[in-house]
Order: sequence, then C-alpha cells, then structure tokens
Amino acid sequence: AQSVTQLDSQVPVFEEAPVELRCNYSSSVSVYLFWYVQYPNQGLQLLLKYLSGSTLVESINGFEAEFNKSQTSFHLRKPSVHISDTAEYFCAVSAATGTPGKLIFGAGTRLAVHP
Amino acid sequence: DSGVTQTPKHLITATGQRVTLRCSPRSGDLSVYWYQQSLDQGLQFLIQYYNGEERAKGNILERFSAQQFPDLHSELNLSSLELGDSALYFCASSVVNGEQYFGPGTRLTVT
Repeated sequence: AQSVTQLDSQVPVFEEAPVELRCNYSSSVSVYLFWYVQYPNQGLQLLLKYLSGSTLVESINGFEAEFNKSQTSFHLRKPSVHISDTAEYFCAVSAATGTPGKLIFGAGTRLAVHP
Repeated sequence: DSGVTQTPKHLITATGQRVTLRCSPRSGDLSVYWYQQSLDQGLQFLIQYYNGEERAKGNILERFSAQQFPDLHSELNLSSLELGDSALYFCASSVVNGEQYFGPGTRLTVT
C-alpha cells in the first residue's frame, strides 16, 4: 500500500518569491509520482509527473519537482511565483505496475500568493 | 480541457434518494476511475474500471455502485443518500503509466 504526506496545509508567500511545497511518500513497491493543481471551483489538472528517467521534472509554467528515492520525497518548487499560482496543490502516488492504478493523494497544500 | 466530461455539474437531492453520475473518458482511454473529494476525507479513490471490467475497489460504500459500458463511458450510482455523501465526485481516465486526467467533477449536495 502507498501513502502520501504533504507537510504543509497552507503556504503563504509574496509574489515573485520562491516557494517549495513538500511531499513525502511511503510505498513497498516502485511508484509513479504526480503533482496536481486545483484552482477554486475547478477540477484537478496534472501539473507534472515522474514515471522514470530523469529525477528532475518540469512543467510548462515554471514549476519543477525532484524525485528523491532515498528520502522518499517529491517536493514541488518554483523560483518565482505569480498571483495566478494561488491554488491547492496535491501530491499523488500510484504503484508502478504494468496496469494503470489508483492514485493515492496527500491532503493538499493551499498556496496563497500575496501581492 | 482534459477531454474527460462529467454530467451533471451540480446535483441537489434529498436524503434517501438515488442519483446517477455520468463520465465520458478521453478518446482512447480504457481505464476510468472515480474519486470523492470532501472536506473531512480529502480525495479518496472509490473504484476503477478497465475496458468494462471492475479492476480495483477503494473506500466505496455498499450503497454506491458503478459500471463501465461498451462505449467506455461510466456511471456511478449512489443510493439511499445521506447528508455525509455531499461531496465533489471526480472521474478520471488513463491509458497507460498511471497518468490520469480528471473531469470537472459533479458537486453533489444532499439536503
């Protein structure tokens, strides 16, 4: 079984400041890792994913996450945030089997970007 | 737009009633997943179908059931509704590698 812990429920930050949203996971098997973003009153959008290969993955809007197997972490970072990044961010894990599997989500981190 | 569609967007109903939520996956995706999002439980996996067959079950109540039809759309049936069933219900679909794309959700309010 897998589990995900998002260490911060809320992260306030000023515009143009850097931010890190922390995610740790637990699993007895290899995993795929994901970050999803949920804007108010909307569904979940896939932000970035780690399936295999390079441990550093990037999104098109400046976010990046690094898979650290030894620390079982997949922290999300952005060097300079915008007001429009205000949203809830969910870290998720699934077992890396051959058949697509269920996602286990963390509790979410609410990122609030202030001017 | 993820390509996953869900209807209806909102549903208001009374306790004891039965509702059906509908989901159409992205073109070509064989797997459909249902999730429930509530304030107290967060995002919880309910059930997965793969090409018409049930593949995995999560924290799904016995009052809830689902199916996937030959055209790959899926329905989630919720019966004997209780106040605590009020939540956002999401459908997601995938083809390979666990990468799931979510629909906009159905907000269920039980009064």
